[in-house]
Amino acid sequence: GESVGLHLPTLSVQEGDNSIINCAYSNSASDYFIWYKQESGKGPQFIIDIRSNMDKRQGQRVTVLLNKTVKHLSLQIAATQPGDSAVYFCAEMWGSARQLTFGSGTQLTVLP
Amino acid sequence: DAGVTQSPTHLIKTRGQHVTLRCSPISGHKSVSWYQQVLGQGPQFIFQYYEKEERGRGNFPDRFSARQFPNYSSELNVNALLLGDSALYLCASSLDRVTEAFFGQGTRLTVV
Repeated sequence: GESVGLHLPTLSVQEGDNSIINCAYSNSASDYFIWYKQESGKGPQFIIDIRSNMDKRQGQRVTVLLNKTVKHLSLQIAATQPGDSAVYFCAEMWGSARQLTFGSGTQLTVLP
Repeated sequence: DAGVTQSPTHLIKTRGQHVTLRCSPISGHKSVSWYQQVLGQGPQFIFQYYEKEERGRGNFPDRFSARQFPNYSSELNVNALLLGDSALYLCASSLDRVTEAFFGQGTRLTVV
């Protein structure tokens, strides 16, 4: 399968612990953000999104926090499970083109 | 419901050849975007189509072209293939241009 994590920042957590994945985005005009999970050999899978008029949004076991002052986004995963092991990307969107610009990704490894 | 489907899943081409990749969006989705993902990096935006018109183009050479059909499916064409075009090509569909984008599994293109 595809080894997207070879040169990526890594995060290792124990099964059952909470995970926090951070992302610094580039454009202060970005108004929409998405977190994606990508497993080896697969396309990115939508996890959660947040618009710039919000600071926090919660989903099932996941929470996204947005700090526009420092252009920082974080993804919190509660009670991390082995199936959460993957590469996680944040993506931002701005302007009329509405294209997604992806960060470099973080490889999350869940230890038994 | 079927997700975003892409064909073929894998492809091997020789330098100088051309290639056509295909994408069928989620039923009801009118926007299709194409991304290139090189090993170890996040996806890079190539094109966005909405209602059969090009709405955005990334920093890719003119060898790359695309189109969207009346049924909202899309094709990505790459001419005069280079070794550096080897990548995972991803298609993403969304209901419109401002909502979350869902990705297909991608087409793995290898240029030899």
